Amino acid sequence: GQQVMQIPQYQHVQEGEDFTTYCNSSTTLSNIQWYKQRPGGHPVFLIQLVKSGEVKKQKRLTFQFGEAKKNSSLHITATQTTDVGTYFCFDKDDKLVFGAGTILRVKS
Amino acid sequence: ETGVTQTPRHLVMGMTNKKSLKCEQHLGHNAMYWYKQSAKKPLELMFVYSLEERVENNSVPSRFSPECPNSSHLFLHLHTLQPEDSALYLCASSQDPRGGVGANYGYTFGSGTRLTVV
Repeated sequence: GQQVMQIPQYQHVQEGEDFTTYCNSSTTLSNIQWYKQRPGGHPVFLIQLVKSGEVKKQKRLTFQFGEAKKNSSLHITATQTTDVGTYFCFDKDDKLVFGAGTILRVKS
Repeated sequence: ETGVTQTPRHLVMGMTNKKSLKCEQHLGHNAMYWYKQSAKKPLELMFVYSLEERVENNSVPSRFSPECPNSSHLFLHLHTLQPEDSALYLCASSQDPRGGVGANYGYTFGSGTRLTVV
């Protein structure tokens, strides 16, 4: 079946550095959503991407959907300590499968 | 408060106990979900309820039994659990179970129930 792979598993960055996490699928994705889960918290919806090649921005966060709709990325510019947490991509096909997530640590 | 309320927040139960987790959403959504989150594992879908159907993950053991009396309430009944069932159980709701191009169909999660089976 379809499998969503997310890389990297972990990322430690110095505050102020950029961060990117990638979500890759073996088959075409219908929609892709991104969530953030703070340590000890629950996942919170960030954004949904639908169209091929779509790019959306939320302040320092930039989300992209690949032209072939088989991959997506989340890029954070100039990370802050408030960005720590796990970032999940979510495939909205019939399997409702979440990626394994990328754990972001920010050193101040 | 997210609009999805889960109780209890923490639960410790023995392997022979019967307990229930409760989820209530105040968002007018038409779909509700149970997810399991274990350490070092991806979020695992357990059950989905929409107005029309219940979708079940075939790998969920029968010791987990969902109940959805209406579109606002969801329960997870627990019976003779094993220590490996210890995890964070998350309830979520959305306006559409899947699909929906062009619209925001993000999940709203509750704060979860931290379950420990002893």
